[in-house]
Amino acid sequence: ELKVEQNPLFLSMQEGKNYTIYCNYSTTSDRLYWYRQDPGKSLESLFVLLSNGAVKQEGRLMASLDTKARLSTLHITAAVHDLSATYFCAIFMNRDDKIIFGKGTRLHILP
Amino acid sequence: KAGVTQTPRYLIKTRGQQVTLSCSPISGHRSVSWYQQTPGQGLQFLFEYFSETQRNKGNFPGRFSGRQFSNSRSEMNVSTLELGDSALYLCASSLPALPIHFGSGTRLTVV
Repeated sequence: ELKVEQNPLFLSMQEGKNYTIYCNYSTTSDRLYWYRQDPGKSLESLFVLLSNGAVKQEGRLMASLDTKARLSTLHITAAVHDLSATYFCAIFMNRDDKIIFGKGTRLHILP
Repeated sequence: KAGVTQTPRYLIKTRGQQVTLSCSPISGHRSVSWYQQTPGQGLQFLFEYFSETQRNKGNFPGRFSGRQFSNSRSEMNVSTLELGDSALYLCASSLPALPIHFGSGTRLTVV
């Protein structure tokens, strides 16, 4: 069964701390997405990772992809309250042309 | 460049009714996909259209249908609404291997 698993599902952390969200998936994929969703809002695209070893950074967020381990990470550096949101990873299914999402990680950063 | 536009933003329907949701993709994007988001099931793929053809369909009953027009605009229809169809319905458009852009969604409440 195809699975996209994120952990943790809930994370409460202090401002200024570093943390990593993990995304494991159970089938081969050549495309992995990270999205952010604020309460009541739509999904905002953060990163698209297309190849093994890909690393992308935007501000305090950095995403990486290891296709051999079927693992992507989203690293948060020196968290600030504005980063509080739910973060989703998703993989692209080559054979089906569809996207499968993880359940999301709800991140709450305490001021 | 205008983003993905979904209408209406909010809908309240009664059980047994049908509903049609609309999505206008970003100009030049020919792929449109639909997702259902609920607290219990998370983000689930409904279907994807490209050049007026449904390329893929998720695991939803036949009450859920869609179509795409020659201008790439898409509609999805849900017939014989059930309480469990209450959800945020998200439409997304994309170009191959690039970020998928989501609309603001239509929040459907079935009473």
